[in-house]
Amino acid sequence: AQTVTQSQPEMSVQEAETVTLSCTYDTSESDYYLFWYKQPPSRQMILVIRQEAYKQQNATENRFSVNFQKAAKSFSLKISDSQLGDAAMYFCAYKNTGNQFYFGTGTSLTVIP
Amino acid sequence: DAGITQSPRHKVTETGTPVTLRCHQTENHRYMYWYRQDPGHGLRLIHYSYGVKDTDKGEVSDGYSVSRSKTEDFLLTLESATSSQTSVYFCAISRTGGNSPLHFGNGTRLTVT
Repeated sequence: AQTVTQSQPEMSVQEAETVTLSCTYDTSESDYYLFWYKQPPSRQMILVIRQEAYKQQNATENRFSVNFQKAAKSFSLKISDSQLGDAAMYFCAYKNTGNQFYFGTGTSLTVIP
Repeated sequence: DAGITQSPRHKVTETGTPVTLRCHQTENHRYMYWYRQDPGHGLRLIHYSYGVKDTDKGEVSDGYSVSRSKTEDFLLTLESATSSQTSVYFCAISRTGGNSPLHFGNGTRLTVT
């Protein structure tokens, strides 16, 4: 099984500032997919952004962007102009070609007004 | 949002009793998954299915069994519940291949007393 590591159990950011959440993964595969999910207190799991390993261009979705470093096996999430509604648990996920998904342990993000 | 319904939403049961959680989808996705979420562990895969009557074990499958007799339904059974199985259980679905993400149900909070 692939290992996904989120080394920051908790992070905080001032409203309107930028924060970066870290994720690293361990794999011997060359073809895979990476995702970030958000889990607010409602417990719902919400897809934030996705990245294909074969694409060099970093994915962006509005205020959310990733820094994908394939050689370093790193997939960090940058949240710009942080809003109170961004407060949540964030999970990094790895998907292999067998359609299996592996998750990190999560980062709890607090947004300070 | 993907049509995924988990039932029940909450359940309290006693040690040693059997428990079945149900997941129902209306998306006709091939893949279905059961995860458990525990603090400090993120989401861990219990079992998954890649078609009717086709299932496989995940990383924490001991004490759990699954069945998929129809495309739309995926059942998770705890044959004899233990306190260590107290958790939040998520069902998820996915299309085959590519960057198709997981779509999650709203989760079931199971407490084993």
